[in-house]
Amino acid sequence: GIQVEQSPPDLILQEGANSTLRCNFSDSVNNLQWFHQNPWGQLINLFYIPSGTKQNGRLSATTVATERYSLLYISSSQTTDSGVYFCAVGNTGNQFYFGTGTSLTVIP
Amino acid sequence: NAGVTQTPKFQVLKTGQSMTLQCAQDMNHEYMSWYRQDPGMGLRLIHYSVGAGITDQGEVPNGYNVSRSTTEDFPLRLLSAAPSQTSVYFCASRVSWGQETQYFGPGTRLLVL
Repeated sequence: GIQVEQSPPDLILQEGANSTLRCNFSDSVNNLQWFHQNPWGQLINLFYIPSGTKQNGRLSATTVATERYSLLYISSSQTTDSGVYFCAVGNTGNQFYFGTGTSLTVIP
Repeated sequence: NAGVTQTPKFQVLKTGQSMTLQCAQDMNHEYMSWYRQDPGMGLRLIHYSVGAGITDQGEVPNGYNVSRSTTEDFPLRLLSAAPSQTSVYFCASRVSWGQETQYFGPGTRLLVL
């Protein structure tokens, strides 16, 4: 299967700070999603971004498929941004592979 | 739309017991899947289905059975529960395999004693 590595594994931020989360993957993909798992365990779709750049409010993401990485940017972080951020990828098969996540804690 | 729903939310089993985790979606999605999430890990695919009557194994299928008799429902069966199956189970669906966003249910927390 596809190996997915996320960094950093843990991140602690002061409220208002910016951060960049990285996702590296070991093979070409045609599906890449970023998820936020909130403290209650719910998985929330952030971006479907197999290539290119997207923005949604304070969040944006960029995927450089040819170099096999994706970045998630969080600007002006808020305490509600806390949780675990997962990158997940898929290719021409029917399987979908998750990284181990970045645990983000935003302190007021 | 209710999206993807899962029942129960929490279950305690004894080793050797059987149970079925229910998953339903009302979005007419063809592709459905089951994942398990263990502490400190990402989600791992157990089984998936690309349509009614079609299922296949994922990364960690051992100890689990699935069937897909309707587009809406995709139950996951544990025939003889083991402590190693203690985990949080997520069901997901998407329109079809390929370039589509995947939507997740709220999860079922399973404890096997």
